[in-house]
Amino acid sequence: GAVVSQHPSWVICKSGTSVKIECRSLDFQATTMFWYRQFPKQSLMLMATSNEGSKATYEQGVEKDKFLINHASLTLSTLTVTSAHPEDSSFYICSARRASEETQYFGPGTRLLVL
Amino acid sequence: AQSVAQPEDQVNVAEGNPLTVKCTYSVSGNPYLFWYVQYPNRGLQFLLKYITGDNLVKGSYGFEAEFNKSQTSFHLKKPSALVSDSALYFCAVREGTNAGKSTFGDGTTLTVKP
Repeated sequence: GAVVSQHPSWVICKSGTSVKIECRSLDFQATTMFWYRQFPKQSLMLMATSNEGSKATYEQGVEKDKFLINHASLTLSTLTVTSAHPEDSSFYICSARRASEETQYFGPGTRLLVL
Repeated sequence: AQSVAQPEDQVNVAEGNPLTVKCTYSVSGNPYLFWYVQYPNRGLQFLLKYITGDNLVKGSYGFEAEFNKSQTSFHLKKPSALVSDSALYFCAVREGTNAGKSTFGDGTTLTVKP
């Protein structure tokens, strides 16, 4: 159990367009979801934390109007990169945690390339 | 504030030898400690955690870690390394009373050579 999926697994888009990434907990209810960004050979950079039905809490330096996060249900969170630019190209990873457990379960990641 | 340090960017071991990946942490309360592994172009996979109880924690794929409160460490170990263990390993900490986020280390790349 505790499987997290992400879709799409990779996406290429033109500069100025918006991209939506979905994160789903397949077999459990995720009261909290996290979105991370990872640069090559570097650690995870937490972008935001979201609780179901609440607004996401963004980390310092992360533009909330650029990276829109919606946690509409206990099994789905979405990250929308608005007006994407080449510097937004990165590996985006979500993770989910259920209320009764301390462990975070991670999705497989989404590779975004903005041309 | 909470923090975690992985002092080694890279660890190289020969197949069949024991391996250790180091992690030290800092929290103001009781620590929840985690190890994750990441294979290329993949998300993180949970290996093991320490919440309370026995200081020696056993996890997936034969890995174990020992919680040492006095040294504020949580080193990852395996008695006999496999080539397939080669990956990026992350240590993470969260304060027990903190219902929010975990802090991740910078990661250690483990390379196991045949």
